[in-house]
Formats: sequence, structure tokens, C-alpha cells
Amino acid sequence: AQSVAQPEDQVNVAEGNPLTVKCTYSVSGNPYLFWYVQYPNRGLQFLLKYITGDNLVKGSYGFEAEFNKSQTSFHLKKPSALVSDSALYFCAVRDNRGSTLGRLYFGRGTQLTVWP
Amino acid sequence: EAQVTQNPRYLITVTGKKLTVTCSQNMNHEYMSWYRQDPGLGLRQIYYSMNVEVTDKGDVPEGYKVSRKEKRNFPLILESPSPNQTSLYFCASSYSTGSFEKLFFGSGTQLSVL
Repeated sequence: AQSVAQPEDQVNVAEGNPLTVKCTYSVSGNPYLFWYVQYPNRGLQFLLKYITGDNLVKGSYGFEAEFNKSQTSFHLKKPSALVSDSALYFCAVRDNRGSTLGRLYFGRGTQLTVWP
Repeated sequence: EAQVTQNPRYLITVTGKKLTVTCSQNMNHEYMSWYRQDPGLGLRQIYYSMNVEVTDKGDVPEGYKVSRKEKRNFPLILESPSPNQTSLYFCASSYSTGSFEKLFFGSGTQLSVL
């Protein structure tokens, strides 16, 4: 079965420091991977996705993610964190098999706190 | 403005009283889906729809029904709600059914079943 794991419930980082939010996946076939962000009392917003091609994917708000096939990871990164980046981050994988094409699997989420 | 609209935003009900949470998108999206968000469990998919009159189960479909009679609407129906369905619910849509498509989410419906 397709699945996603986010090993850290919380990540704390000082403003201006680099941040990493970890995600590992388990899929059959080629992975279609996504990162979404949820601000308090809001719905989820798309940050970036990996479909194929370059292993380093750039997304919204200065975020990027590195796809590593051998480690089955898709970690979210940002070179310099902002207090406004504090939010709940979700990694997700989309099923790409014909019979279950519409299925989407989310990780449990990682709460990122950036302190001034 | 392109958006996914859910109603109501908050709902408190009692066990067994049928309810419907509406979801509508104005982007002519083919794909729509429902999720519930619970602390420590992340988002879990309830049902999804690849097109009008085409719906399929996600991870946690028990106790829920959906319908897709029109492209823009995808209501979530709880025929006999129970306390374990207390949760934050999200509707989402995407332009096509391709696995590479990003989702647009509604603002959520906080449901409490007493």
C-alpha cells in the first residue's frame, strides 16, 4: 500500500536558520509527491510537488524539496526560516495505479515553529 | 474568485440526526474529494470522485455517503452521525484526475457530534 511518514511531530528553528521537515514514502511504481501547508483556521495550501525530473523541486514562499529515490525521502527545506513560516506541514503521495488513481495519502503532519 | 466553498463552517449536532456538509467549486474541476483531519492522524481520505456520477471509497468511508450529480457539487452525507465522527472535514478539488495535479482545499467544517 502507498504510505507517507513524517517522523517528527514538531520542528523548532530560529528565524534566519535553515529548516528541514522530513518525509519518507512507500509506493508502488513512480511516486507523485506533494507538500501542503496549513495555517491556523485555514484549509491546506499547495506548496510544491515532485512528478519527475530534477530531484530538487522549488515551490511557493521560498520552499524547496529534495527527492531522494534511494532513501525514499522527500524532505522539505528552506534556507532561511521566517516567523511567518510557522504552520502545520503535510507530506502527501498520490496513487498512480489505474484502479486507485484518485487515492491520496497524507502524513500525520509536522508542526513547524519558527521563533524570533 | 476561484475557490472551494464548504458549508457550514461549524456544526454541532446530536447522535443519529442526519446531516449534510456541502462542497462547491467554481473552477470546473473534474476531481473532488473529502478528508477528515484528526489530531495525530493527519488527513485521511473519505471519498473521492473522478467525475460526475463516479465516486469511490478512500481510507475511511464507513458512516459516510457522497454523491456527484453535478460537476461543481460534492456533498458529504452523514446518515446517522456518531461521536467518533467528530472531526475537522475538508473538501478539495483538482483540475483533472491526473496524479500530478495539485489540490485546492476548502476552509474546513468543524463537526461536533454529541
